[in-house]
Amino acid sequence: DIQMTQSPSSLSASVGDRVTITCRASQSINRNLNWYQQKPGKAPKLLIFAAFSLQSGAPSRFSGSGYGTDFTLTISSLQPEDFATYYCQQSYSTPRTFGQGTKLDMK
Amino acid sequence: QVQLQESGPGLVKPSQTLSLMCTVSGGSISSGDYYWSWIRQPPGKGLEWIGHIDYNGGTSYNPSLKSRLTISVDTSNNHFSLNLNSVTAADMAVYFCARDSLTRDAFDIWGQGTVVTVSS
Repeated sequence: DIQMTQSPSSLSASVGDRVTITCRASQSINRNLNWYQQKPGKAPKLLIFAAFSLQSGAPSRFSGSGYGTDFTLTISSLQPEDFATYYCQQSYSTPRTFGQGTKLDMK
Repeated sequence: QVQLQESGPGLVKPSQTLSLMCTVSGGSISSGDYYWSWIRQPPGKGLEWIGHIDYNGGTSYNPSLKSRLTISVDTSNNHFSLNLNSVTAADMAVYFCARDSLTRDAFDIWGQGTVVTVSS
């Protein structure tokens, strides 16, 4: 199985901050990397697919980058509705695997 | 637009079989552009992919669950199902069904999730 490791596991930030979350795969996954946002009691929502493509309806302040084993999710200017948990997920092979999550809360 | 909705018992006894259904509305499950997936999330923990099925019945399962797992599809009624036998407390989780888009290679639509408790 491909292991996905996110850092940090938790992060405190303020509205307007630029925030970066990283995800590392245990082997190369090309650009087969997706990012999701999950709020308490809700299903995850797809934000970014194929490493850097913005899902329809996702705000443009979210962006993704990376290739191979190292990937980044950036929120350019944090909004109040962005406080949530973020997960990366590889779609290079089965079993599909997720990172452990990064909880973003208000400083 | 396409929506997914999980259904099934919220309480299962240890050693028994967990059975859940995911009903697809607003679109056909018979599209070849998607896998239909199950994902779970234990309380306070992260996401675990369980497996998926295509409209022809082709499946892929997580090896950690494969010996206990069956995923099936009913194209006539536009739903797919999960059966997980010999459940234990470790199977307690929120179970989500999700659409895995082959063009995006991502889970682009999710059900709201259903809570499953394992207890006698």
